[in-house]
Amino acid sequence: DAMVIQNPRYQVTQFGKPVTLSCSQTLNHNVMYWYQQKSSQAPKLLFHYYDKDFNNEADTPDNFQSRRPNTSFCFLDIRSPGLGDAAMYLCATRLAGGPNEQFFGPGTRLTVL
Amino acid sequence: RKEVEQDPGPFNVPEGATVAFNCTYSNSASQSFFWYRQDCRKEPKLLMSVYSSGNEDGRFTAQLNRASQYISLLIRDSKLSDSATYLCVVNRGTNAGKSTFGDGTTLTVKP
Repeated sequence: DAMVIQNPRYQVTQFGKPVTLSCSQTLNHNVMYWYQQKSSQAPKLLFHYYDKDFNNEADTPDNFQSRRPNTSFCFLDIRSPGLGDAAMYLCATRLAGGPNEQFFGPGTRLTVL
Repeated sequence: RKEVEQDPGPFNVPEGATVAFNCTYSNSASQSFFWYRQDCRKEPKLLMSVYSSGNEDGRFTAQLNRASQYISLLIRDSKLSDSATYLCVVNRGTNAGKSTFGDGTTLTVKP
């Protein structure tokens, strides 16, 4: 089945130790999003790619970076995780020009020790 | 003021009850509207899109009032399996399709 896959599902890192989360999709969607969701809060958009064009939200910390080497893959790099970065990180995709529905991966839950 | 605001909840209802959730949005240029369902510690999943004419999918009915910038979701004959958090989502309609999520309303259906 076509889907959005995130690895790992659970990630534990130490304070200040860089970590990379990955997302892949078989939907061939040209837009990919990264969201951060903390407990009992709405998913918060960090950035998105429209094809290869990277778009950062104004309030996304510099600590967060992203890479999209091809249509299928997108990575979220956290350069120096702080305790406040512990959250669920959700990847989503959408086909521009199609329905506005976003398809979410299962998320990666990040713990920072 | 948040761009998308929902009833804070939580809603605790017995099986078979009818429950309604409300959502307001502040950006009048918003183009498309959705309700997503999110189970505990899982990803959001699309429940239904919301159209100006109103739309129904089984026990679920969604309404949109553009003049009042208001969206609603009605669940009839609640089931235990309806227990989840319901997220109101508003899309600005740009090519990027960026969406703004409400904080969600938690529903617990009890036997």
